[in-house]
Amino acid sequence: QSVLTQPPSASGTPGQRVTISCSGSRSNIGSNTVTWYQQLPGTAPKLLIYTNDQRPSGVPDRFSGSKSGTSASLAISGLQSEDEADYFCAAWDDSLNGLYVFGTGTKVTVL
Amino acid sequence: QVQLQESGQGLVKPSGTLSLSCTVSGGSISGYYWSWIRQPPGKGLEWIGFIYYSGSTNYNPSLKSRVTISVDTSKNQFSLKLSSVTATDTAVYYCARVPSTTGYYFHMDVWGKGTTVTVSS
Repeated sequence: QSVLTQPPSASGTPGQRVTISCSGSRSNIGSNTVTWYQQLPGTAPKLLIYTNDQRPSGVPDRFSGSKSGTSASLAISGLQSEDEADYFCAAWDDSLNGLYVFGTGTKVTVL
Repeated sequence: QVQLQESGQGLVKPSGTLSLSCTVSGGSISGYYWSWIRQPPGKGLEWIGFIYYSGSTNYNPSLKSRVTISVDTSKNQFSLKLSSVTATDTAVYYCARVPSTTGYYFHMDVWGKGTTVTVSS
């Protein structure tokens, strides 16, 4: 049950900048940090951005994250063919006893 | 570096119990939270729950009545049991490490490759 809303698709040509939005509420994005995961076709998700805007070692700096209020964004600058993947945002939700919620996912296509 | 490997049944009969294990290699299970996540075919990700190495757990309320996650530190392993399964439980099941200790910073930094579980008679 995805409670974080993302656009189903986004696209761009190589070199372009693509932005993906993630909309939540006060109990999740509004209260906790946001994570982004990248899932290449047929593979497991991979940590891309954590704590809103931090990149793990090895993630190219063309990926950047930001958060404002109850929304977050992932930007891919200098889009490359290998960036074609599904992207999911996620955050802890403080409702009930707490649970981790994912976004609906965005398929990025490199034209 | 730490690697995770899921193992268990690939096919479970309806109303049966799904059982999976996740073996941690290249590092200790101690000191971390560990999570299970699933992804139905062609769909998004769903968090199932987590366990701390000491045994405390937190489950997704939508699955709580059917889920049990346990840990065996001697085997560097944690496990998932999901009872009363139906076709809607058919999915790829992933295990993952949680390096954060609070919900505020919750995220998963190391994932297993995933294992496909099909519920069918």
